[in-house]
Formats: sequence, structure tokens, C-alpha cells
Amino acid sequence: GENVEQHPSTLSVQEGDSAVIKCTYSDSASNYFPWYKQELGKGPQLIIDIRSNVGEKKDQRIAVTLNKTAKHFSLHITETQPEDSAVYFCAQWGSSGGSYIPTFGRGTSLIVHP
Amino acid sequence: GAGVSQSPRYKVAKRGQDVALRCDPISGHVSLFWYQQALGQGPEFLTYFQNEAQLDKSGLPSDRFFAERPEGSVSTLKIQRTQQEDSAVYLCASSLGGSSNQPQHFGDGTRLSIL
Repeated sequence: GENVEQHPSTLSVQEGDSAVIKCTYSDSASNYFPWYKQELGKGPQLIIDIRSNVGEKKDQRIAVTLNKTAKHFSLHITETQPEDSAVYFCAQWGSSGGSYIPTFGRGTSLIVHP
Repeated sequence: GAGVSQSPRYKVAKRGQDVALRCDPISGHVSLFWYQQALGQGPEFLTYFQNEAQLDKSGLPSDRFFAERPEGSVSTLKIQRTQQEDSAVYLCASSLGGSSNQPQHFGDGTRLSIL
């Protein structure tokens, strides 16, 4: 299947700092890049997504940037709060045998210290 | 409105037993996906349905895994002759449209433990 590399695996920040998580992918036909937040014992929750015809998207404290040439996309969280602590996953939708299916990164555990 | 509901939340089975996991998607959602999430990993795609049609099952690990969605709403993932390596959280997600790359809504999963 297609590969998605996600870094870092763990990110520890102080409340109020910014956090950046980066993912790289290999399928040049990928066209949709969502980010999910997963809290313990819960399913992933979509927090922001971007499509391949857009370079950046913002929603309050959260932003996603996409560089199609370099095949990477990043999640930016500003003014972090303790409730932002969770595991974050990137995903990319790429072609697989005629259909588009998602491949997820391995996750980043974000810890925001009060 | 209700989100995606999965049952049971926890399932413990002995190796060799068959198990069935249920997913109730959001009403009216056309697409339904199943994922397997091992501890400390991201979800891995298993299969997906558009209404009652299973359009892709390339992620199913073996022929012991079987999924169905006979009336285009509720779906069941069945695992026959379970093995210890089947222990994982099984997630279901649904999306409104029939095309791919649409926002997905996940359930909270079924945690399967094989003894």
C-alpha cells in the first residue's frame, strides 16, 4: 500500500506554545488529506482536512498546509491548551486497484503541559 | 443526532472462536468503512461499502475476515477461527457521499482481545 510517514511520534509543549506535526506521502495521485484527533478510548475525530487543489486551510487555532511538489502536509496548532493533548493522525487518500482508500500515519502523541 | 455506534465495545474470545462486530452508521450515510487499529498504531483500512455493495476488500488480512452490509445500513464484520494476532480495536466510519475522499465520522470502536 501507499506509505505515509508522520513525525514526530511524540511532541511535548508548554501551554500557549505552537505545535507542528508533519506527514510525507508517496502517491502523487493523492487528493485528500484529513487530520484526526484521537482521545483515549475514543474513535478518531476529524479536525481539519485539505484537498489537493488548495495550499493552506485555517480553522481558528488549527491550520493545515500542503506542498504537493514535495509531497508533504503539516498540521499547525497555535496557542495550545491542555485539552489539545491527544494522539493526532494524518491520512492521505490514494489510489489502490481502481478505488481511493485512506492510509494513516502512525500518530503523534501531543502533550500540552499547563 | 446519533453518531456512528459500534457494539460490543469490548469483546473477549478464546482462540479459534468466531466473533461478530456490529456497526450502525449515521442514518443516510452511503459509505461505510472498517479499520483495524493495533496498539500504538494508526487505523489500517480493511474494507468499504457503498450502500450494500462491497467496493474494496483489499485490506482484509485473510479469508477468515468477512464483512457484509446487506441492506445498505448496518454492517457486520465477522472473524472466523480467531487468532491472537486478531487482537486490536476495530473501527467503523461512515461518510455521507458515495464518492471517496469525503469527511468520515468514526465510531468509538470494538476492542477485541483473543486469549
